[in-house]
Amino acid sequence: RKEVEQDPGPFNVPEGATVAFNCTYSNSASQSFFWYRQDCRKEPKLLMSVYSSGNEDGRFTAQLNRASQYISLLIRDSKLSDSATYLCVVFSGGYNKLIFGAGTRLAVHP
Amino acid sequence: EAQVTQNPRYLITVTGKKLTVTCSQNMNHEYMSWYRQDPGLGLRQIYYSMNVEVTDKGDVPEGYKVSRKEKRNFPLILESPSPNQTSLYFCASSDGTVPYEQYFGPGTRLTVT
Repeated sequence: RKEVEQDPGPFNVPEGATVAFNCTYSNSASQSFFWYRQDCRKEPKLLMSVYSSGNEDGRFTAQLNRASQYISLLIRDSKLSDSATYLCVVFSGGYNKLIFGAGTRLAVHP
Repeated sequence: EAQVTQNPRYLITVTGKKLTVTCSQNMNHEYMSWYRQDPGLGLRQIYYSMNVEVTDKGDVPEGYKVSRKEKRNFPLILESPSPNQTSLYFCASSDGTVPYEQYFGPGTRLTVT
């Protein structure tokens, strides 16, 4: 079983749609959680951190459920520019490293 | 401008010919790491370094070497490249010794024939 699992997609949605991505992680001792965004053939960039209380940044909302070992990302009012691959990332303190999911691809169309 | 640079960006080489991919950051970061990205597998860590002269293996270190003689540079060395090392490689750095937010270089696309 992979340490961080994501639905690979692609999610094809029209502009203005709301889309949600899910991610599960296997190590219950994981300490911190993030979503990174990666455009085609480019480097990943941090989108947002994920906190237990949930957090929002504009049209993006991230949620963490430690009991179920589950992370989500909600994008409201999708824009064409949101088309990218979204990587779920978990920090494992015991190994002092980030563990990346394989990514979920989003394609927003007019 | 704060950045991580990698060179070369694209490289086609033949099996067995030693190569080095350079990585440099200008943010005075202590933590640096190398990843490879393959379809369906996500980013996998090859090696990381928590400071000068301190390096350690990641998840897929076989066939790779690194060194950290200066804080800003973290080259990746393939002594005898093989076709299974064809991949997209990223160097990354982060502040402190905890790699929460990593800044990635633009990537090096390597093809080994």
